[in-house]
Amino acid sequence: KNQVEQSPQSLIILEGKNCTLQCNYTVSPFSNLRWYKQDTGRGPVSLTIMTFSENTKSNGRYTATLDADTKQSSLHITASQLSDSASYICVVTRNNDMRFGAGTRLTVKP
Amino acid sequence: GAVVSQHPSWVICKSGTSVKIECRSLDFQATTMFWYRQFPKQSLMLMATSNEGSKATYEQGVEKDKFLINHASLTLSTLTVTSAHPEDSSFYICSARGGNRWDQPQHFGDGTRLSIL
Repeated sequence: KNQVEQSPQSLIILEGKNCTLQCNYTVSPFSNLRWYKQDTGRGPVSLTIMTFSENTKSNGRYTATLDADTKQSSLHITASQLSDSASYICVVTRNNDMRFGAGTRLTVKP
Repeated sequence: GAVVSQHPSWVICKSGTSVKIECRSLDFQATTMFWYRQFPKQSLMLMATSNEGSKATYEQGVEKDKFLINHASLTLSTLTVTSAHPEDSSFYICSARGGNRWDQPQHFGDGTRLSIL
């Protein structure tokens, strides 16, 4: 069983709408949690990184939250744009070991 | 920001061919490089970790004689898929880190799509 579970698996929204992606993890002990955006056929690009003491981190229209007690994180995208269509990957690091979620495939339609 | 260049971006070749993929850090020295494989709609799977000047550490289940990794300089690592077969077809991605600490950022290349006929 993957130690990093993401939901939903895929999501379709209209341009301009907001959305929230979920990440639940069982990785322990926890070092940091990162959200990446991966465009089709490209490598992942870092959006946010949070340590266990941080609750929220923003990067433009992207806001990540972290609840280390419940081992949950979310990525909120505000005022979505067509260019937000991509896979969003949650990665939890334990020491030097990175555990990748399977990603959420987001499609933004006009 | 830090840039990692991967080459080639797309390879199509016959079964039995060996294929070399290059990963270069363009504006920083990559002490550690990682090689991943990604199948459609699945997460990245770490294949191996390499530190400059030393042998790569392979993940369980990854054949080191099949996937040869060389990290001879601080800006270049190569992955050679030897005697490739159709089941080796996948998206291969490298990433590079400027040090050995886990909290240092990893920068990913844009991947290489390998198709074995």
